[in-house]
Amino acid sequence: GENVEQHPSTLSVQEGDSAVIKCTYSDSASNYFPWYKQELGKRPQLIIDIRSNVGEKKDQRIAVTLNKTAKHFSLHITETQPEDSAVYFCAASFDYGQNFVFGPGTRLSVLP
Amino acid sequence: ETGVTQSPTHLIKTRGQQVTLRCSSQSGHNTVSWYQQALGQGPQFIFQYYREEENGRGNFPPRFSGLQFPNYSSELNVNALELDDSALYLCASSPDPNEKLFFGSGTQLSVL
Repeated sequence: GENVEQHPSTLSVQEGDSAVIKCTYSDSASNYFPWYKQELGKRPQLIIDIRSNVGEKKDQRIAVTLNKTAKHFSLHITETQPEDSAVYFCAASFDYGQNFVFGPGTRLSVLP
Repeated sequence: ETGVTQSPTHLIKTRGQQVTLRCSSQSGHNTVSWYQQALGQGPQFIFQYYREEENGRGNFPPRFSGLQFPNYSSELNVNALELDDSALYLCASSPDPNEKLFFGSGTQLSVL
């Protein structure tokens, strides 16, 4: 079955700097890769997603890149702000609503 | 807000007991998935229901069972509770199995 690894497990950046979180997946059949942000005690919230027929997607300060050949995808956050502090999870699935396999999470701290 | 609500928010049970967790999806969402999130880990897929039928199951034993009702509500039942069942249980719904998932805030279950 699918296995998703995520690095780093913790990340601290200064406000205004960029943050990059990387994930690798094992099943080449996976074709949908969402990223979720989870603040302490709150629900995971979808922040951006990408399908396998696209190499890059951007939404304001957030971007995701996908390398199908290497089976890895990355989340890029530019101009980080304190409110970006949270745990970020990547996931992979065969399709939107199917069995998501999540990575173990990255705790991002943005220092003022 | 996603429109997905879960109850109760917190629950304490003892080993061997049975528990029922509830989820109310957004109107029109005919797909619901349940995930277990242990402390410090990513969510793990339990199962998915589509139009009141099980539509996929993760690596969880049969004592984890579910129901989906015509009014967009669903239940997760866990029998013979074990200490390792202590976790945050998340419900996620979507308009269709191939549409994006939106999570509820979860039920925090503690098994003593």
